[in-house]
Amino acid sequence: NAGVTQTPKFQVLKTGQSMTLQCAQDMNHNSMYWYRQDPGMGLRLIYYSASEGTTDKGEVPNGYNVSRLNKREFSLRLESAAPSQTSVYFCASSEAVGSRNTIYFGEGSWLTVV
Amino acid sequence: GENVEQHPSTLSVQEGDSAVIKCTYSDSASNYFPWYKQELGKRPQLIIDIRSNVGEKKDQRIAVTLNKTAKHFSLHITETQPEDSAVYFCAASSFSGGYNKLIFGAGTRLAVHP
Repeated sequence: NAGVTQTPKFQVLKTGQSMTLQCAQDMNHNSMYWYRQDPGMGLRLIYYSASEGTTDKGEVPNGYNVSRLNKREFSLRLESAAPSQTSVYFCASSEAVGSRNTIYFGEGSWLTVV
Repeated sequence: GENVEQHPSTLSVQEGDSAVIKCTYSDSASNYFPWYKQELGKRPQLIIDIRSNVGEKKDQRIAVTLNKTAKHFSLHITETQPEDSAVYFCAASSFSGGYNKLIFGAGTRLAVHP
């Protein structure tokens, strides 16, 4: 049972480069999320997709774009990476966006921008 | 915007002692309060949650209490063990943009010493 799978696990980028983080879930969940985790800052929501075909901004969307490719897949793109985007990125999913739905996280992607 | 404050940021206890982590939230409409545990290098995982119609919930050595009037909730771990060492995150639901989303606290690093 894979749950939420994200790739790559580690990546080093140069300032200005672009890259896409991939995420897929096999739990038939409707909602998917991208969070970033920085020391002392907890988990901050970048973007979310309440259902296939919809995406919305979270707390810290600047510098990122997302695509909900289908029900299973939700990708995060950095168009022009900046050192401030050095972070651990977590993809997550839940049955629906709502206060009674447990969020399940992927294993994380460690991104360093130099 | 809505926020969740979590204290303390670090907590060190002796094995067998109790540990208490406290969170306050700002959105009076919040009605779902999960707690996640994150071991070093791993993904956050749900350990217990509580809904606004309940004042306390217990699961073996873990308990959570909620005071809606004061807008705070707490995690209690009794008879701590070394494997309880991890970072713990509280979260509160927040309704905005048509959806309920989770807002996370900054985390508490718990160290249990044998």
